[in-house]
Amino acid sequence: KAGVTQTPRYLIKTRGQQVTLSCSPISGHRSVSWYQQTPGQGLQFLFEYFSETQRNKGNFPGRFSGRQFSNSRSEMNVSTLELGDSALYLCASSVEGAYNEQFFGPGTRLTVL
Amino acid sequence: AQKITQTQPGMFVQEKEAVTLDCTYDTSDPSYGLFWYKQPSSGEMIFLIYQGSYDQQNATEGRYSLNFQKARKSANLVISASQLGDSAMYFCAMREGYTGNQFYFGTGTSLTVIP
Repeated sequence: KAGVTQTPRYLIKTRGQQVTLSCSPISGHRSVSWYQQTPGQGLQFLFEYFSETQRNKGNFPGRFSGRQFSNSRSEMNVSTLELGDSALYLCASSVEGAYNEQFFGPGTRLTVL
Repeated sequence: AQKITQTQPGMFVQEKEAVTLDCTYDTSDPSYGLFWYKQPSSGEMIFLIYQGSYDQQNATEGRYSLNFQKARKSANLVISASQLGDSAMYFCAMREGYTGNQFYFGTGTSLTVIP
């Protein structure tokens, strides 16, 4: 079974631009979560999608948005990029239930200049 | 209150020795899962081990074991016979309830294995 894939793996943008990151979950996984990881703030939860609906949301500004498609693939978008948005963005998928682990993709490393 | 607390920002261990990474959690939900992940310098998060709140025995996976003390709300990871490849960040995580709840991650512990 293929793992979680994320594209692109690396991205360089300038302030004010917008960016879209993509995540393809493991087949059969309907829950997709996004995290931002920076050296200073650690792993921060962005949001979780389940069956095309945002089910949980972290404490991030409205510039961060996402969506999920009917095939469970998910995208996240960051508009009006700021220098502080430079981070590793991780996507994770899981099946439903507290006892099921999340499987992570390799991440997208975003650099904002 | 923090859902997951990892109080050791950095740890060192001699190769072939055992090491314990601490994790405490906070929840009032009787159903929850506890997870440990490893993140090498490459960045990918690797699932290591899982413990369910109703599990009677501590979970083990190869050299990894989870020391689950429910009354103390702790879920420490024990790595036996440390190897150089164990040098990484380690994250403890929890998911509450049966459905619909997000994962909560701790701040992580950086483990360095010394040859």
